[in-house]
Amino acid sequence: DIQMTQSPASLSASLGETVTIECLASEDIYSNLAWYQQKPGKSPQLLIYYANSLNDGVPSRFSGSGSGTQYSLKINSLQSEDVSIYFCQQNYDSPRTFGGGTKLELK
Amino acid sequence: QVQLQQSGAELAKPGTSVKLSCKASGYTFTSYYIYWVKQRPGQGLEWIGYIYPGNGGTYYSEKFKGKATFTADTSSSTAYMLLGSLTPEDSAYYFCAREDTEGIGDYWGQGVMVTVSS
Repeated sequence: DIQMTQSPASLSASLGETVTIECLASEDIYSNLAWYQQKPGKSPQLLIYYANSLNDGVPSRFSGSGSGTQYSLKINSLQSEDVSIYFCQQNYDSPRTFGGGTKLELK
Repeated sequence: QVQLQQSGAELAKPGTSVKLSCKASGYTFTSYYIYWVKQRPGQGLEWIGYIYPGNGGTYYSEKFKGKATFTADTSSSTAYMLLGSLTPEDSAYYFCAREDTEGIGDYWGQGVMVTVSS
């Protein structure tokens, strides 16, 4: 199975800041990487797919990058509604595997 | 619009089974995979496996082989997951999600809480 290592596990930032979350795959996943946002009590929502493609309706302050085994999610100009848990998932191979998640809080 | 509507919360006793449902609408049910994900409260996401309603093909993550069984009813556009031999470790939220042709989970159900307790 492909292992996904996500960092940091938690993150505290101020409104307007830029934050970055990293995801490392145990092998090359050829940009088959998605990012999800999960708000408390809700199901995950797709933010980014193919490592850098923004899903419909997702604010442009979110962006994804990376290739090979290393990927990142960047949130520019942090807003209060961005407080959530963020997960990466590889969809290159089955079983699809998730990173452990990053809990983003406001400082 | 695409929607996945999951059944209500379940309370079950250890050793029994529960069958969760995921009713799809707004798209051609037989053309997309449905996968299931487990999330224990305050924990991360575990991918359980998928079913392809078009032909009934299934895939199970090694950890969930023997625990989960997927079926699909194309007449009602509903996917099911049977969880058997329940233990307290099975207490969790379970989500269904649609996987598009590129393997991306683009739409998710609202989730259902399963509580296993005597």
